[in-house]
Order: sequence, then structure tokens, then C-alpha cells
Amino acid sequence: QKEVEQDPGPLSVPEGAIVSLNCTYSNSAFQYFMWYRQYSRKGPELLMYTYSSGNKEDGRFTAQVDKSSKYISLFIRDSQPSDSATYLCAMSVPPYAGNNRKLIWGLGTSLAVNP
Amino acid sequence: EAQVTQNPRYLITVTGKKLTVTCSQNMNHEYMSWYRQDPGLGLRQIYYSMNVEVTDKGDVPEGYKVSRKEKRNFPLILESPSPNQTSLYFCASRQRTDTGELFFGEGSRLTVL
Repeated sequence: QKEVEQDPGPLSVPEGAIVSLNCTYSNSAFQYFMWYRQYSRKGPELLMYTYSSGNKEDGRFTAQVDKSSKYISLFIRDSQPSDSATYLCAMSVPPYAGNNRKLIWGLGTSLAVNP
Repeated sequence: EAQVTQNPRYLITVTGKKLTVTCSQNMNHEYMSWYRQDPGLGLRQIYYSMNVEVTDKGDVPEGYKVSRKEKRNFPLILESPSPNQTSLYFCASRQRTDTGELFFGEGSRLTVL
């Protein structure tokens, strides 16, 4: 079983729809949860960052972490064609767990928002 | 502008011909890392560096070498490329004490024939 599971999609929605993207994980030591967005032919860029449990909102984007269920979500409201990209979840353990603190990545979900 | 710059962006080469992919960052980050991204396998860490002259293996280091002689540069060396190293490569950096935000380059697509 992979440490982080993410449905690769593809997901296709009409403009204006609410999009829900999800990841599950198995390592209860993860404390830092991130969503990266990757446009075609570009490197990933950080979109949302959450520490431990709870919600975080930034404009049309909301990130949720449910540590009891080992489940994280990214919601996109009023989706736009410019949101078409691959969305990758990533997680890491706390700093005291090691210097590398490498990110554990989901495979990414490909999203297309159609005008 | 803060950025991570990789070169070349695209390269086609043949088996056994040594090549180097350069990576440079202008953010004074201590931590730098190389990833490869493959369909169905996602992003996998090849090597990382915590600071100058400090490098260590990631998850898939076989067939690769790195060096960190200067803080800003972290080249990836393929001494004898093979077709299974055909992939999309990303260099990334962050502050050593940061908890997660990696800044990525735009990627280098390598094809080994």
C-alpha cells in the first residue's frame, strides 16, 4: 500500500462547478499537508499549505485535513478554465523526524474545466 | 525574480553519452533536491542536499550523481545514461528550516535512445 493515495482522474467539469480533490494517507506521523498545482510543461507550485488538522481558505480554494480519517481535500469554488491543471497532494513529517523531511507525493489528479 | 533555473529544458541523447543537467537558484536556499516524474509513478526524489558539500541519496539514486560546490548550483550528472532514465526531471529548493514549500524549476525532459 502506498503511503499516499490519490485518484489520477482525469476529472472534467463545466466552468463554475465546485471541484473536490482528495487524498488518503496511511502514515499517522504526517503533520504538514500541501496541495501543489502543476500546469502542463511547468514545475509544481505550492497552492495551499496546512499544518495538522482543520480548514484553510484562500480565495476560491479551501483545504481540509481530517487526521482521524487520514484524509485531505482541496475544494475549488467557481472553477475557471485557468484552473485546468494537475493537482498533487504532498505531506511530510515534523522537523524533528529528520533533516530531509522529504515530501511524500500523491500521483496527482488531472483536472479540466470546460468553458 | 525568485526562481529555479534548469538547463537544458529538452534533450535527446543516446545510451552511454554522459550528460549534465544544471540547476541554479537565486533565493539563497540551503536545501536543494532533484526529482524525476514518470506516469503512474509520480514524483520520486533522486538526491538532495542540505547545504554546500552535503548531499545524500533519495529514493531512486541509481545511475545518477550530484555535486554541491556552491550554494546556488546543484547539477545532476548521468555518467552513462540508459533508456530507463528517460523522464521529466525537476530541481527544487527551499530554506533548510522550512517545513514544506518547495520551489521547482520548469523541468528538463530527457530522452535516452
